[in-house]
Amino acid sequence: GAVVSQHPSWVICKSGTSVKIECRSLDFQATTMFWYRQFPKQSLMLMATSNEGSKATYEQGVEKDKFLINHASLTLSTLTVTSAHPEDSSFYICSALGALLVMNTEAFFGQGTRLTVV
Amino acid sequence: SQKIEQNSEALNIQEGKTATLTCNYTNYSPAYLQWYRQDPGRGPVFLLLIRENEKEKRKERLKVTFDTTLKQSLFHITASQPADSATYLCAQYNFNKFYFGSGTKLNVKP
Repeated sequence: GAVVSQHPSWVICKSGTSVKIECRSLDFQATTMFWYRQFPKQSLMLMATSNEGSKATYEQGVEKDKFLINHASLTLSTLTVTSAHPEDSSFYICSALGALLVMNTEAFFGQGTRLTVV
Repeated sequence: SQKIEQNSEALNIQEGKTATLTCNYTNYSPAYLQWYRQDPGRGPVFLLLIRENEKEKRKERLKVTFDTTLKQSLFHITASQPADSATYLCAQYNFNKFYFGSGTKLNVKP
């Protein structure tokens, strides 16, 4: 299956700093990428949907100025958590859809990033 | 809005038995449903997709059914093994989004 690489797998940062998480589709062109947040023992919460070359669409309640998403190319999307606070500590996961995958529409997920803000 | 519900938070079974997980949806019937496996600290991995016109689909020890009358999908793992222990998510793709259930944590005891 298609491969999505997410980096870093874990990061610890100080409160008030910014953290960038990268999501790459390694063997296909991802026209759409999704960013999720997951709390322990809970399901995936969609934060935003990004399409290459256009602004991301954020879900209700997600601050777009705090969670900056850039989808500058068909193989890379980034999520930047700005001015991070301890309550931003969570597991962040990206997934990607490619144009050729639309018929089956299975999502390919990154490995996830465990963010801890201290 | 559409809801995907997995009623069992956890399921404990003995090795060798068949595990059956349930996924229910509200409102409209999706064209297809998907099942994913998620291990702790990892992203979900796609397992199976079943379309609304398919009653059943199999892949090795996995079997998925889709009942549009009951608005339900069942996910079966036969001859379960401790390595099958994980959280299983059902999902639906519609309106350019994926809707995920909350997951069922399966524990297979040796």
